[in-house]
Amino acid sequence: DTEVTQTPKHLVMGMTNKKSLKCEQHMGHRAMYWYKQKAKKPPELMFVYSYEKLSINESVPSRFSPECPNSSLLNLHLHALQPEDSALYLCASSQVYGQRAFFGQGTRLTVV
Amino acid sequence: GQQLNQSPQSMFIQEGEDVSMNCTSSSIFNTWLWYKQEPGEGPVLLIALYKAGELTSNGRLTAQFGITRKDSFLNISASIPSDVGIYFCAGLDGDMRFGAGTRLTVKP
Repeated sequence: DTEVTQTPKHLVMGMTNKKSLKCEQHMGHRAMYWYKQKAKKPPELMFVYSYEKLSINESVPSRFSPECPNSSLLNLHLHALQPEDSALYLCASSQVYGQRAFFGQGTRLTVV
Repeated sequence: GQQLNQSPQSMFIQEGEDVSMNCTSSSIFNTWLWYKQEPGEGPVLLIALYKAGELTSNGRLTAQFGITRKDSFLNISASIPSDVGIYFCAGLDGDMRFGAGTRLTVKP
């Protein structure tokens, strides 16, 4: 089983809304990642959690707030987003940091 | 950071043709990965390469880890319409760095 599950699949939110993206894996992986992907571009790393601790923040604006409640779950809390934040948000996990990663289906986010 | 150069940017081929794409880097990687992404979906891992010179197959797909550890290629033999998508190479050295992708279109 190499499944990473993301919810919701689609999300439309206003610039004053607060919403959360969720990611779950049951492979026992101890590294989890958030990526942002714009159309026709490769995924860009946002955050890395290793053993439930935030280990990498790629200078992401504070309107994106990650959370790792336990080793299977990863959340991305969104607040006061801008239209340019509209993108496909991908969650991924790997056995440990630095190993091959498996991606979820992504959440297509539209900010209006 | 390390830059990955992936080529070609796009390919338009006839069903049944073979496809070849490659990635080069200015620095070495410990692992090379190849992903396929279809519209509206996340990238799916196709092949992982761990040793310089390694040649690995997955069905009609074959990938190689370059001897210098700075490059990798992916071949698809006898393409079919469902091969359509964007293929990304990725190099792993702690962080994962992606190439810009190769967009493949297969005409029936």
